[in-house]
Amino acid sequence: EVQLVESGGTVVQPGGSLRLSCVVSGFDFDDYAMHWVRQVPGKGLDWVCLISWDGGNIYYADSVMGRFTISRDNSRNSLYLQMNSLRREDSALYYCVRDRQGGSGSYFLDSWGQGTPVTVSS
Amino acid sequence: DIQMTQSPSSVSASVGDRVTITCRASQVIGNWLAWYQQKPGTAPKLLVYGVSDLRSGVPSRFSGSASGTDFTLTISSLQPEDFATYYCQQAHKFPLTFGGGTTVQIK
Repeated sequence: EVQLVESGGTVVQPGGSLRLSCVVSGFDFDDYAMHWVRQVPGKGLDWVCLISWDGGNIYYADSVMGRFTISRDNSRNSLYLQMNSLRREDSALYYCVRDRQGGSGSYFLDSWGQGTPVTVSS
Repeated sequence: DIQMTQSPSSVSASVGDRVTITCRASQVIGNWLAWYQQKPGTAPKLLVYGVSDLRSGVPSRFSGSASGTDFTLTISSLQPEDFATYYCQQAHKFPLTFGGGTTVQIK
């Protein structure tokens, strides 16, 4: 069974930093591209970033470019999101998501974790 | 960025009804379109990808189609477990973008 478990979400002050983690199981992690997607409770979905299976290709939403860094450790079946210079508008539930297709990916979002909440507030 | 305009924002329907949700892309995206279902308090689930391919395990009452830059998700006979919010998503260009969502409510 495919499982993705996020952690690291908490309350942080504006301008602060946070690192989210996602540990996966049930599939060959190093075969798949991975995404972070966020959602403000009661609102729509907002794609954040993608990392390819080997970390060679990375893409970000403009709203987080230069502040967030996605990375992965295939030996630990883990995905990370380093979030710096946090803003109130970054407050959301952050989902770790596996791409539907292995290799370079299809950019369809196949398997989702349950999310970890981030609140940016003073 | 590619804008995805979804309509309606909400629809009230009864069990057994046929429900159609539409998504319009601001530019050509080919077959790079997916649909997701989200129930309150849970993560979204992929239903349809590549416009019309059903993810394994998705009931056949769900179907997807396209006409140019207009995309449609159809539920042929609404079941109680289908009351949820549905989102479209384009996978043609970064940044990946979603429609605003359609909530299917019980009439």
